[in-house]
Amino acid sequence: GAVVSQHPSRVICKSGTSVKIECRSLDFQATTMFWYRQFPKQSLMLMATSNEGSKATYEQGVEKDKFLINHASLTLSTLTVTSAHPEDSSFYICSASHRAGEEKLFFGSGTQLSVL
Amino acid sequence: AQSVTQLGSHVSVSEGALVLLRCNYSSSVPPYLFWYVQYPNQGLQLLLKYTSAATLVKGINGFEAEFKKSETSFHLTKPSAHMSDAAEYFCAVMGGGNKLTFGTGTQLKVEL
Repeated sequence: GAVVSQHPSRVICKSGTSVKIECRSLDFQATTMFWYRQFPKQSLMLMATSNEGSKATYEQGVEKDKFLINHASLTLSTLTVTSAHPEDSSFYICSASHRAGEEKLFFGSGTQLSVL
Repeated sequence: AQSVTQLGSHVSVSEGALVLLRCNYSSSVPPYLFWYVQYPNQGLQLLLKYTSAATLVKGINGFEAEFKKSETSFHLTKPSAHMSDAAEYFCAVMGGGNKLTFGTGTQLKVEL
């Protein structure tokens, strides 16, 4: 089956630094990628949708200048948490779909971000 | 807009007993519905999905779910629980643009 690789799996950083999370589709071209965040014992909340070659679409309440999303190729999307603060500590998960209208979504294994 | 409601944030069953995790949905269009499982500190694994074909959907690990339009439900069941089934389970509905809206999750505990 299709595989989505997400790195790093865990990152600890100091407050004020930036952290980049990568999401790669290993054996298919992902026209669309989604980024979710999950607080402890809560559900996943969609942060943004990115389509290859275009700007990401952010959900209401998500700061686009803080959570920079780049989808420069059909196999790679990155989420950069800029000037991270402790309240940004969360579990971030990406997912990718093969093509527009395809209901199959493949999830990465997630990144646990801890900001000290 | 779509939404899902999962009744019961925690469910505990004995090993070998029936597993029933409840999910009700709200959708203005025929829904695509999903159940995912999440093990600690891991991403999501698709258990099964309903995409307007057969109303009884069989998934992996012996799980199945039945789509009932009249009840707007998509409950997840497994005849006999195994210790390895202990995990967090999420019901989700797909909206426009392939966006998933997740329920709040149900933590399944399996006891000896």
